[in-house]
Amino acid sequence: NAGVTQTPKFQVLKTGQSMTLQCAQDMNHNSMYWYRQDPGMGLRLIYYSASEGTTDKGEVPNGYNVSRLNKREFSLRLESAAPSQTSVYFCASSEARQGKGNQPQHFGDGTRLSIL
Amino acid sequence: KNEVEQSPQNLTAQEGEFITINCSYSVGISALHWLQQHPGGGIVSLFMLSSGKKKHGRLIATINIQEKHSSLHITASHPRDSAVYICAVPRRGETSGSRLTFGEGTQLTVNP
Repeated sequence: NAGVTQTPKFQVLKTGQSMTLQCAQDMNHNSMYWYRQDPGMGLRLIYYSASEGTTDKGEVPNGYNVSRLNKREFSLRLESAAPSQTSVYFCASSEARQGKGNQPQHFGDGTRLSIL
Repeated sequence: KNEVEQSPQNLTAQEGEFITINCSYSVGISALHWLQQHPGGGIVSLFMLSSGKKKHGRLIATINIQEKHSSLHITASHPRDSAVYICAVPRRGETSGSRLTFGEGTQLTVNP
C-alpha cells in the first residue's frame, strides 16, 4: 500500500520561481490537507479539501493555491516563491467527513522546500 | 482556535524508563489525536481517543475530558522510541473533526 505519496521530496527554488507540489492517496479518502511545518511551531493547515472539487483556506493560505481535480490528487502551487515559504510541507488524507466523525489522518513523507 | 499545549518540549530518558508526555487543550473536543514523527520526518497516527484509555503495545494514551488533558505513556522505553510526539485536537467549531490544531510536539530521546 502506497498510502499518501508526495513529490518531490526535496526542492530548492529561487525567489519568484513557481512550482507545484504533488500529492496522491490510494485509500479512497474524501478529505485531503496541505500543511507546513516550521521550527518551533506545530503543523499549520494551508488548505483543506473535503471532497473532489471543493477547497477551503486554512490558517496560512497566503501565497499558495491548490487544486483537487479528482478524489486521489490534491496539488499545492506556489506562484511566486518567497524565502518565508521555506518549510517542510506535508500532505495528508483522512476518511473524515460530515456525519462520520473524527478519523485519523494519514501523512505523506513530506517535501523539504528551500527558497533562496 | 483550540489552543494546544504540550509538555515537556524536550525529554531525555534512559532505556527502560517510563515516559509521560502531557497535552492540554482549551476548548471541549470530540476526540484527541496522538501522532509520532520519526527522525526521518515521516508522521504516523498513533491514537485517536475520545474518552478513557487506549493501549497499543508499550504505548498508552489517556484522556480526561473534564480536565481537558491527555497523556501519552511509554513503558519500558527503547532508543527506537526516539521521535517527536505530537498532540492534536479538532479546531474550535469544527463539526466534522476534519481540521486539527496541532501542538508543537515533544522531542523524546531515549539513550541506550
